[in-house]
Amino acid sequence: EAGVVQSPRYKIIEKKQPVAFWCNPISGHNTLYWYRQNLGQGPELLIRYENEEAVDDSQLPKDRFSAERLKGVDSTLKIQPAELGDSAVYLCASSFASFPRSSYEQYFGPGTRLTVT
Amino acid sequence: GEDVEQSLFLSVREGDSSVINCTYTDSSSTYLYWYKQEPGAGLQLLTYIFSNMDMKQDQRLTVLLNKKDKHLSLRIADTQTGDSAIYFCAETGAGKSTFGDGTTLTVKP
Repeated sequence: EAGVVQSPRYKIIEKKQPVAFWCNPISGHNTLYWYRQNLGQGPELLIRYENEEAVDDSQLPKDRFSAERLKGVDSTLKIQPAELGDSAVYLCASSFASFPRSSYEQYFGPGTRLTVT
Repeated sequence: GEDVEQSLFLSVREGDSSVINCTYTDSSSTYLYWYKQEPGAGLQLLTYIFSNMDMKQDQRLTVLLNKKDKHLSLRIADTQTGDSAIYFCAETGAGKSTFGDGTTLTVKP
């Protein structure tokens, strides 16, 4: 079974340019997460989707970041315009959430390493 | 908000046991996890424990949970050089996960 797929793996852009990341979750997983991981730190949640609905986007900097998950499958995360401080690894993860209780085991993709110059 | 704390580094000899510790603040956490991250890769789920359990064993891995003290530990028996990586503790409450900053485990031959 294929794992979580992310592309591109690496991206170098100049500040003020736009950038987009793509994620394809594990088949059948209804929950999708975007995280940002700064060097030497753990992942920080940017947005969580349950199917097509963004159920937690409280940490997403909405002035420059946007995300979508059309049809409840793959997702894109966009930054426009990028700033120097956006340099980080952007991780996508997916899980299968069943209600009323779920273990929320997350399966991560390899990430996209973004460098803003 | 919720917080998860881990020590930054641990160094052990090959064949010894490793114990990685974690504390968390969210008393409503329902599940607690251990993930492993190798260079250039995403996080790999190692194991998890439900908050009403005290211990879970899975081959070389033993997870201990002290809910009263909000303390979680991961013991790796017979540590191998391939276990060298960063280990993250995480907790989930109501579907939202908070991760620690990771413990870098170095295994010396």
